[in-house]
Amino acid sequence: RKEVEQDPGPFNVPEGATVAFNCTYSNSASQSFFWYRQDCRKEPKLLMSVYSSGNEDGRFTAQLNRASQYISLLIRDSKLSDSATYLCVVNRGAGNNRKLIWGLGTSLAVNP
Amino acid sequence: DARVTQTPRDKVTEMGQEVTMRCQPILGHNTVFWYRQTMMQGLELLAYFRNRAPLDDSGMPKDRFSAEMPDATLATLKIQPSEPRDSAVYFCASGLVRGRGDTDTQYFGPGTRLTVL
Repeated sequence: RKEVEQDPGPFNVPEGATVAFNCTYSNSASQSFFWYRQDCRKEPKLLMSVYSSGNEDGRFTAQLNRASQYISLLIRDSKLSDSATYLCVVNRGAGNNRKLIWGLGTSLAVNP
Repeated sequence: DARVTQTPRDKVTEMGQEVTMRCQPILGHNTVFWYRQTMMQGLELLAYFRNRAPLDDSGMPKDRFSAEMPDATLATLKIQPSEPRDSAVYFCASGLVRGRGDTDTQYFGPGTRLTVL
């Protein structure tokens, strides 16, 4: 089992739809969680950090469920420009041994 | 708008040749990461530097890969000799650690797309 797992998709949704992705992680000691977005043939860019209390940024909402060890990303009112791969990132270790573990990503295609 | 820069953007080479990839981190950042991305494996961490010192290169094949930071404005990743299985996109990222040992946001360069024939 991979340390960070995501449904690869693709998720095909119409403009205006609400879509949600989950990401499960296996290390119960993980403390930091992120969602990155990667456009085709581009570099990953931070979309948002995921806090214990959850956080919202415009149409995007991220949640953390420690008991079930997953994080989620909800996108409301999808836009064509939301089409991308969404990467889930979870930390492992601490101090100098700390590193980020990346999921393989979930592909989203928003259609007109 | 500060950015991480990487050169070359694309590299096609033949098996057995040496490949050197360069990265200029964002000025003021004290951590640098080298990643390799393939469809099958996703993003894999190859090496991690803080204040130019290598902290973790456990993800890097030691026999053919080497990573260095000759100064704070330059990180290099070298493959010698290159093999077809090294074909991938290689990303450099930089960040700023504020003394707690944790890794904050990573800013990625545009990547080097390497093809080894």
